Amino acid sequence: EAQVTQNPRYLITVTGKKLTVTCSQNMNHEYMSWYRQDPGLGLRQIYYSMNVEVTDKGDVPEGYKVSRKEKRNFPLILESPSPNQTSLYFCASSDGRRGQFFGPGTRLTVL
Amino acid sequence: AQKITQTQPGMFVQEKEAVTLDCTYDTSDPSYGLFWYKQPSSGEMIFLIYQGSYDQQNATEGRYSLNFQKARKSANLVISASQLGDSAMYFCAMREGDFGNEKLTFGTGTRLTIIP
Repeated sequence: EAQVTQNPRYLITVTGKKLTVTCSQNMNHEYMSWYRQDPGLGLRQIYYSMNVEVTDKGDVPEGYKVSRKEKRNFPLILESPSPNQTSLYFCASSDGRRGQFFGPGTRLTVL
Repeated sequence: AQKITQTQPGMFVQEKEAVTLDCTYDTSDPSYGLFWYKQPSSGEMIFLIYQGSYDQQNATEGRYSLNFQKARKSANLVISASQLGDSAMYFCAMREGDFGNEKLTFGTGTRLTIIP
């Protein structure tokens, strides 16, 4: 089954404790992205990747890091999380021809 | 300026009626793509329909169609014969530039409620 998986689905952590949200896709897509969704703001792109080792900033990259060492994986790293990073995070992948396939989302709470 | 504007925060529609969800966009790039996504209460994002700026015809996907008016910079989603399962948040999004530019900008969404 074609899918994008994210782990964990839910995470509660404390300020400053480094965390990683994993994202993996099994569709051999070249393009992958991370978004955050906040009430009233829609989805905002954090980072995106056009291929292995090729990444670029989206609209809200501050406080986040990404890496794309393998085509299927695109982890999101929060080196020092803060409460304003409490949000619903989505990973997505695409072949660049049609819409992006989204993962199920990760709900992050930073206390 | 907002690149994607969805002016209807919420809509209530009777079951079986057609629904039009508004989306206007702003770009100076001649090549762009417009997308609609559905987000039910369970939270997942579901791709519905895509319209390219050079496409000659309006896109259709089953009960979904996109009313693309390029001169007016609008890309409204039309859902025919609405069903209870259509109740969800709907997001319009735009890709500026050619395929392969995966930087997407989303609107703030419209919450659609279908009334039995």
